[in-house]
Amino acid sequence: GQQLNQSPQSMFIQEGEDVSMNCTSSSIFNTWLWYKQDPGEGPVLLIALYKAGELTSNGRLTAQFGITRKDSFLNISASIPSDVGIYFCAVFTYNQGGKLIFGQGTELSVKP
Amino acid sequence: KAGVTQTPRYLIKTRGQQVTLSCSPISGHRSVSWYQQTPGQGLQFLFEYFSETQRNKGNFPGRFSGRQFSNSRSEMNVSTLELGDSALYLCASSLDSGGYNEQFFGPGTRLTVL
Repeated sequence: GQQLNQSPQSMFIQEGEDVSMNCTSSSIFNTWLWYKQDPGEGPVLLIALYKAGELTSNGRLTAQFGITRKDSFLNISASIPSDVGIYFCAVFTYNQGGKLIFGQGTELSVKP
Repeated sequence: KAGVTQTPRYLIKTRGQQVTLSCSPISGHRSVSWYQQTPGQGLQFLFEYFSETQRNKGNFPGRFSGRQFSNSRSEMNVSTLELGDSALYLCASSLDSGGYNEQFFGPGTRLTVL
C-alpha cells in the first residue's frame, strides 16, 4: 500500500543545535503535513504544505514541499528542551475516500 | 474553545471481550476520524464519519466498527478483542469532509488487551 519513508528514526542532539528530518514517497501527494506528538497526547499540526516547491515557516520550524511532490523536509533551528517529542510527516490522499497517511515518526531528544 | 475529548483515557480488557470508545469533537466540527497507533504499525486510519454516515474506511477487519450521533459525537467499537488490538486509539475532528480539512486530534484512549 501507500507508504511514507521518514528518516531518521531518532535523533539525540544538544540544545541549540539545528535539526533536519525528511519524508519521501513513491507516489505523488498534493498535501504534505508535519505533526508533533508529545507523550500522552495526540499529534498536533505544525505546518501544512499545499504547493510543490513551497517553503513555509512557523517560528523556528521550516518545512518544504518537494518540487516532485514526492518528498518534504522539516527543519528546526536552535532546538530547545521542549522540542522533545515524536515528529510525523503525513500526506492527505483521496484514496479510500480521503484520509491521512503517516510516516513512522522521528523521535527527537534534546540534551540541555 | 474546548478541544477534542476522548473517554476513557485508559482501558484494560481481556481477549474476547468487546470495548466501546467515545470521542467528542470540537464544537461545530462535523467530521470525526479514528486512527490506531502502535509501535509496529504506526498511525493507521480506521474510518471517518460525517453527518452520521461512514465516509471512508481503512484496512481493518469487521471487528472494528463505529458510529456517529446527531451531535457529531462518535463511538468506535471493537468486538472479540485480540492481543494485537492493544494500541492508542486517536480520534480527530475537522470542520468538513470531502477534501483536506485540518484535523485536530484528541489525547487518545490507551487500550491494553490481556
